[in-house]
Amino acid sequence: EVQLVESGGGLVQPGGALRLACVASGFTFSSYDMHWVRQVPGKGLEWVSTVDSSGKTFYAASVKGRFTISRENGKKSFYLQMNSLRAGDTAVYYCARDQPLSAIYFDVWGQGTMVAVTS
Amino acid sequence: EIVLTQSPATLSLSPGDRATLSCRASQSVSSYLAWYQQKPGQAPRLLIYDASNRATGIPTRFTGSGSGTDFTLTINTLEPEDFATYYCQQRSHWPLTFGQGTRLEVK
Repeated sequence: EVQLVESGGGLVQPGGALRLACVASGFTFSSYDMHWVRQVPGKGLEWVSTVDSSGKTFYAASVKGRFTISRENGKKSFYLQMNSLRAGDTAVYYCARDQPLSAIYFDVWGQGTMVAVTS
Repeated sequence: EIVLTQSPATLSLSPGDRATLSCRASQSVSSYLAWYQQKPGQAPRLLIYDASNRATGIPTRFTGSGSGTDFTLTINTLEPEDFATYYCQQRSHWPLTFGQGTRLEVK
């Protein structure tokens, strides 16, 4: 079964840091681009970051310079290191798989992990 | 950044009706547009990609159309499980962007 499982969310103070992880199973992880998408509860979806199969990275302007995406193919995992967190980063963070051949659509999603930035 | 504007914000229909949802892009995205369905407490699900291609396992009552700046998701003969929120997403230009969503509710 194709599956993504996130971990690492939680409560953090403004200016703090968190590292989210997403573990994949059921497919050849190294061949796929992977993404993070977030959603403020009750609001819409926002793309956050992408790491392609070669390791090239892309970021939304709102997180560039603060967040770092990375991957470890041997562990079938990818990560989102979030530094200098702000209240506006509070959201459910989903990891997602790209369609084959880098279509840049999200065809498999994790269950989401909540990040709350509050003092 | 390409802005996607979805309309209406809320659509009230009954099971058995046909739903027509719109997504308009601030500039051409060619056919590089997808539609997702999201139910409360769940992750989104990919329905349509490249404007008109159904994703794996998606029922034929879901149809996508359009190109350039104007796109439509049509759901024929609404089933009870179709009442959810729907988002469009473009992949034509970075950054990737989503529409604000259309909530399809039971009338």
